[in-house]
Amino acid sequence: QSVLTQPPSASGTPGQRVTISCSGSSSNIGNNPVNWYQQLPGTAPQLLIFSNNQRPSGFPARFSGSKSGTSASLAISGLQSEDEADYYCAAWDDSLNGVLFGGGTKLTVL
Amino acid sequence: QVQLVESGGGVVQPGRSLRLSCEASGFIFTNYGLHWVRQAPGKGLEWVALMWYDGNSRFYADSVRGRITISRDNSKNTLYLQMNSLSAEDTAVYYCARDMSRVVPGAIDYWGQGTQVTVSS
Repeated sequence: QSVLTQPPSASGTPGQRVTISCSGSSSNIGNNPVNWYQQLPGTAPQLLIFSNNQRPSGFPARFSGSKSGTSASLAISGLQSEDEADYYCAAWDDSLNGVLFGGGTKLTVL
Repeated sequence: QVQLVESGGGVVQPGRSLRLSCEASGFIFTNYGLHWVRQAPGKGLEWVALMWYDGNSRFYADSVRGRITISRDNSKNTLYLQMNSLSAEDTAVYYCARDMSRVVPGAIDYWGQGTQVTVSS
């Protein structure tokens, strides 16, 4: 059972805006930056958002991240069919001295 | 370009050992922390271990502590994962991955293609 809690699924139609939440605690999200990963079917994960809201080159501005207290969110606007993937949040945990991943959210584009 | 190439996976009997390797190229090996992250069939990502960029600090997930050792050979630009007392719960694709941060670990900017480990009799 993941200590970072994500909804198992999310969905939207093309062009819509969807958000994926990630809930943690003071020892992880509350005190450390949150990172988000996109995993397309059959491939290795890719860094999507780092340090709460920073985007690596290669991902469009449609993807954005935010953090407040012990929770974080990933927002995807202008949803496209190629956004269909699994999304994971992650953060360092000061108590466990390790990286925690959320359980993952499967995004379906209807 | 940055490349991480894992090897050493395979089918192994319960209770046996296995050593995974990850050969890195395209960046200064000693400047970055390196992780092992695994993914069981149909499941999510599970962090396994981290060798921090300083080369001395090692961190392990509770689920593997005491059975798994992470190490690196800077002369070969290679990261290792020695796994002992393997069980079916260790069956997964194991990814080698680079951390881009020098402050707080967790921002993993490059991943290998993964190597499959199957523990079965």
